[in-house]
Amino acid sequence: GAVVSQHPSWVICKSGTSVKIECRSLDFQATTMFWYRQFPKQSLMLMATSNEGSKATYEQGVEKDKFLINHASLTLSTLTVTSAHPEDSSFYICSATGGDQETQYFGPGTRLLVL
Amino acid sequence: EDKVVQSPLSLVVHEGDTVTLNCSYEVTNFRSLLWYKQEKKAPTFLFMLTSSGIEKKSGRLSSILDKKELFSILNITATQTGDSAVYLCAVDNAGNNRKLIWGLGTSLAVNP
Repeated sequence: GAVVSQHPSWVICKSGTSVKIECRSLDFQATTMFWYRQFPKQSLMLMATSNEGSKATYEQGVEKDKFLINHASLTLSTLTVTSAHPEDSSFYICSATGGDQETQYFGPGTRLLVL
Repeated sequence: EDKVVQSPLSLVVHEGDTVTLNCSYEVTNFRSLLWYKQEKKAPTFLFMLTSSGIEKKSGRLSSILDKKELFSILNITATQTGDSAVYLCAVDNAGNNRKLIWGLGTSLAVNP
């Protein structure tokens, strides 16, 4: 299957700082990437959908000025959590689809802890 | 409103048991139904189902879709402790961008 990577795997930061998470499709061109957030023992919550070269589409209740998404190339999307606060601590997962891919393939996720 | 409902929410079995996980859906434009397994990390893809009545199989796992009754089941035979995970069902509703509609998952614990 297709391979999607995320970096970093883990990040701990102080409140008020910004954190950037990268999502890369390694062996296919991802025309669409998705960003999810998952709190403990809860299901995946879609935050936004991004198409290469255009602005991301955010789900209701997700602040686009706080969660900045850039999808500048067919293999890379970034999520920046700006001015992070402890309530932003969560598991952030990206997925990608495109080309011949029939479904979404997930990256390994990034655990964010904001102190 | 499109929705996906999984049952049971949680299940505890002994090694060797067979389990059946359920996923029912209501969507306006169905394209496919997907099953994922999630352990302590991101979900891993198991199956994609698009046609009724055709069983997909991978080792001890199998799944089938009923598009008339709008549900799918995931079977795991001869369960092992390594099968312990949350099993997620999602439906692709053929909208733009291939956004998925997710169920809440079934948490399976297999005890030795």
